[in-house]
Amino acid sequence: DQQVKQNSPSLSVQEGRISILNCDYTNSMFDYFLWYKKYPAEGPTFLISISSIKDKNEDGRFTVFLNKSAKHLSLHIVPSQPGDSAVYFCAARGNSGSARQLTFGSGTQLTVLP
Amino acid sequence: EAGVAQSPRYKIIEKRQSVAFWCNPISGHATLYWYQQILGQGPKLLIQFQNNGVVDDSQLPKDRFSAERLKGVDSTLKIQPAKLEDSAVYLCASSPGLGNQPQHFGDGTRLSIL
Repeated sequence: DQQVKQNSPSLSVQEGRISILNCDYTNSMFDYFLWYKKYPAEGPTFLISISSIKDKNEDGRFTVFLNKSAKHLSLHIVPSQPGDSAVYFCAARGNSGSARQLTFGSGTQLTVLP
Repeated sequence: EAGVAQSPRYKIIEKRQSVAFWCNPISGHATLYWYQQILGQGPKLLIQFQNNGVVDDSQLPKDRFSAERLKGVDSTLKIQPAKLEDSAVYLCASSPGLGNQPQHFGDGTRLSIL
C-alpha cells in the first residue's frame, strides 16, 4: 500500500522554464511534508518542507504547495537550471502510530535541458 | 558542520554471508535512522534510534537484520545471513530530535549480493 505516490517517473523541462513535480498521499494522519533532491551516488538532500497548517512555503526558486482536501502537494522550481537535474523525492509523516515514520514516494527524475 | 558519515561506500558479498555497515551522525543529533533503498523506490525506514534506545523497528527483518547504537552516537547495521533481495543502498540519516525537523542523510552503502 503506497501511502505517498509520485506518478511521474520522469520530467524534462527547458532551462529557464518552470518545473512542477507532483505528489499525492493517502494517509490523512500526515501533517508534515518534505521534498528531497538526490544526485547519483549521493544521499538525499533536504530541499524544502511544509506543515499542514500552511498551504504554501517558499525558499528562493523553490515553492511547495499543499492542498489538504485533495491530499496533493507540488514542488515548483522557477527558473529551472541544469544543476537542478536530479531525482526528487516527496516524503510525509504524521504524529501518531505508523504515520510517525517518514514515508517516501518513489521519486521523479527531473532533467533540465540547456 | 560535518555531515552524516557512512562506510563502506560499496560492498559485494555472496548470499548467506554476513555484512556490517557503520554510520556516524551529525554531531549533537539525538535521532538516528537506517533506511533501505531498493532501485527505483524511495527509502524505506528499517530502524530509528533516539539516543541509544530503539524508537521504531517495526519494519526491520529481525531474523536477519540487527542494529545497535550503544553509546548513543555512532551506529552499526548488520545483516546475517544475506539474501539476494537485500541488494540495495543502505542509508543512514540523523536529526536533532523527534519533532518535525528534516532528516539529513549520508551517501549510503551500496550492497550487492551475488
